[in-house]
Amino acid sequence: EPEVTQTPSHQVTQMGQEVILRCVPISNHLYFYWYRQILGQKVEFLVSFYNNEISEKSEIFDDQFSVERPDGSNFTLKIRSTKLEDSAMYFCASSEGSQPQHFGDGTRLSIL
Amino acid sequence: EDQVTQSPEALRLQEGESSSLNCSYTVSGLRGLFWYRQDPGKGPEFLFTLYSAGEEKEKERLKATLTKKESFLHITAPKPEDSATYLCAVQDPLDTDKLIFGTGTRLQVFP
Repeated sequence: EPEVTQTPSHQVTQMGQEVILRCVPISNHLYFYWYRQILGQKVEFLVSFYNNEISEKSEIFDDQFSVERPDGSNFTLKIRSTKLEDSAMYFCASSEGSQPQHFGDGTRLSIL
Repeated sequence: EDQVTQSPEALRLQEGESSSLNCSYTVSGLRGLFWYRQDPGKGPEFLFTLYSAGEEKEKERLKATLTKKESFLHITAPKPEDSATYLCAVQDPLDTDKLIFGTGTRLQVFP
């Protein structure tokens, strides 16, 4: 069964450094998303992406965050200058139409 | 303001002991309610979509139902492999695709 793949599974970064999280969505999907889950908390929406542009972003997704689809298969989330509070699991999701969304296994981001 | 509330937070069942998980939502104009299963260290795995009151979906030992204010995930004769966190999410009532998640119910099934 096709799946969303995310790399790396765990990323450790010093505060203030840039980090790029990578995702390969399911191949025929057109809608792409990033969510995050801080330990012990709810899964929270960050951003949705369709037709090569951001369709919606949350308040969390400030100027430090950006997304890109650099080629036909990858979808990336960049955090420009990481903060301690960015430590979380980051999930990529994709969907063929707007729903249902299928999630990857996440990247655990630890900021030191 | 909580839009999606799940209960109980945790549930321990003996193998074969059927039960139900609850998801109440306060969004008006429901555009879709989704159930996901999440295993430790993994991403949410899609289970069901429900769109209108009275709708039911089934998969193996799981059945999801929907009313105007809540959804239930019924687990019949659970097995240890059903142990996971079950997440409920609703599609944002505004014209967007984002999902609003509850905090989940952590289910443990003992042999």
